[in-house]
Amino acid sequence: SQTIHQWPATLVQPVGSPLSLECTVEGTSNPNLYWYRQAAGRGLQLLFYSVGIGQISSEVPQNLSASRPQDRQFILSSKKLLLSDSGFYLCAWSPRKALNTEAFFGQGTRLTVV
Amino acid sequence: AQSVTQPDIHITVSEGASLELRCNYSYGATPYLFWYVQSPGQGLQLLLKYFSGDTLVQGIKGFEAEFKRSQSSFNLRKPSVHWSDAAEYFCAVRGSSNTGKLIFGQGTTLQVKP
Repeated sequence: SQTIHQWPATLVQPVGSPLSLECTVEGTSNPNLYWYRQAAGRGLQLLFYSVGIGQISSEVPQNLSASRPQDRQFILSSKKLLLSDSGFYLCAWSPRKALNTEAFFGQGTRLTVV
Repeated sequence: AQSVTQPDIHITVSEGASLELRCNYSYGATPYLFWYVQSPGQGLQLLLKYFSGDTLVQGIKGFEAEFKRSQSSFNLRKPSVHWSDAAEYFCAVRGSSNTGKLIFGQGTTLQVKP
């Protein structure tokens, strides 16, 4: 069966420090991958998605970037964190060629920028 | 562009009472629709999904939803709420592109009174 791993679970970082959140998927190949952010009272905002290695699409301009160095690995990064980057970050995957299925979510990373 | 509106930010119901959470979507063609539930600090779990066919969809935990094309709605219902249903609920829409990305509503927080 397929599983998605996301780490760390919680992170407290000072303003101006770098960020790297990692997500890996097991048990499938060629998945679509997504990073979402959930800020308090603001629902889920799609940040990035990827349909293949090295292919990244950004949904909103921001202080973050994403990379997909391997088929089942998706990384969210920042060079210098801002206070506004605080939130709950969720990684998700969906099958590449099966539109009649849902997205599967990791357990999330709670990021607090201080 | 696709969008989802969940008009109710917070809803409080008594245990044993019926529940309806509203969801309205904007999409030109037949959408793929989803309801997810999120417990505090956790990832998202799929409750149910609609792709085609019968407009009344049954999900897990006793939930159901009805797709109404004329109203662009996909409301979630449960006949009798349990205290364990207290959580945040998200409606989402996916278009037919190969990206598979989901667009989420702002979410509805459900509180259950004893």
